Parts: sequence; structure tokens; C-alpha cells
Amino acid sequence: NAGVMQNPRHLVRRRGQEARLRCSPMKGHSHVYWYRQLPEEGLKFMVYLQKENIIDESGMPKERFSAEFPKEGPSILRIQQVVRGDSAAYFCASSPGGRHTEAFFGQGTRLTVV
Amino acid sequence: AQKVTQAQTEISVVEKEDVTLDCVYETRDTTYYLFWYKQPPSGELVFLIRRNSFDEQNEISGRYSWNFQKSTSSFNFTITASQVVDSAVYFCALFPFYGNNRLAFGKGNQVVVIP
Repeated sequence: NAGVMQNPRHLVRRRGQEARLRCSPMKGHSHVYWYRQLPEEGLKFMVYLQKENIIDESGMPKERFSAEFPKEGPSILRIQQVVRGDSAAYFCASSPGGRHTEAFFGQGTRLTVV
Repeated sequence: AQKVTQAQTEISVVEKEDVTLDCVYETRDTTYYLFWYKQPPSGELVFLIRRNSFDEQNEISGRYSWNFQKSTSSFNFTITASQVVDSAVYFCALFPFYGNNRLAFGKGNQVVVIP
């Protein structure tokens, strides 16, 4: 659904660099969800955020990964010191309320670590 | 915990044949939603259908149809008269309404339609 905007669509980083992925939710949506799709796998939940709050980050790797959703601006998924295993497609979805039943996703960001 | 199983990893069909994708799920929740998504080679996720657990009516949308069988915990998807544009990965997903606020995805079915 074009309403959820992710950028960039493709991102190449060298090992050790930082990757910043952006997700602008649909208009009026204040809840954002990030998922990761490893090669030939289904999507796995990473983190659920509300404006200025992390609600559930139980799917996030403990190190190097962080997410935020500031009062103004897009949600950011940040990966520090990227490694080859971080290469994946990262998708975000948004919802107007607290239940993730309106499950429209952005087009995804494909991160390649070289 | 929720689990979605899509057993067939890759399915090849000749154009105009029908193809059915199986989705079996596990959940302790009595209220839940089931989804199907299409992921074409371009990589985006295209929403196809959402069905809640109280609605067991089958649904047809053009060449697509879905068969929800609560008794067997299955939500199967059929493409009738397949076309080359149907070549994609199809994901089944489950959302437990009162559980964790996240979608549980199956691993996907790779459908290859041969002209």
C-alpha cells in the first residue's frame, strides 16, 4: 500500500557502517511495526512503536539494532556496525490504533551488506 | 504462541492450471485474523485478503478464492486459471486479536507459472 512510505528502497553498506531505514506511516496512523525478511524466509516481527514510545521490542536483536518513532518525522530503524547477516528486506507497517489488524506494509528497504 | 505453516515451498504450474496453496495455523486465541499477501519479484508485499475467525464463509475475488476451515485450522488459497503474472511468493499470516500485537507469518509458497 503506497500509503506507508519507506526509504530508501535499496541500501548498500560496507561491513561496520551504519544503516538508517526510514518509515513514514499512513496519514493519521500513530503506530508502526517493523519486520525483517531474511532470504527465503517469511517476515519476522522486530519492534512495535507508538509515537515517542517503544511498546514491544522483543523481536529486536539485543545489540546494534535500535528503533525510534519521534513526535515529528518518520520512524527510524538503525543498525550500527552492520554485518553480512544483516542483509535482508526490512518492512514496516502502520495502524491507526493499537491493534495491528490493518496490516498494510510499505514497499520495504532491501539492505545489502558488502 | 502462534505458528503458521506453509508446507509447499515451491510450486510450478503451467499457465491456465489451477494452483492451491495450503496454510495451516496454530493459535490458542479464539479471536484472530488471517491474511494472505503476495510478494512479486519486485519485492513489495501486496495485501490480498484479511479474514476474521468468526467469518467462515469462503471468498472469491476474480481468479482468487479462499477456503477457511476453522475445524482443521486451515486457510487455503486457490488461484484459478493461473497466469504468468501470478508468479510470486505468497505468504499466509495470523494475527491473534488478544495476543501479541504482531503478525505471525508462514515461510511462504513460491509459485512459478510456466507459460
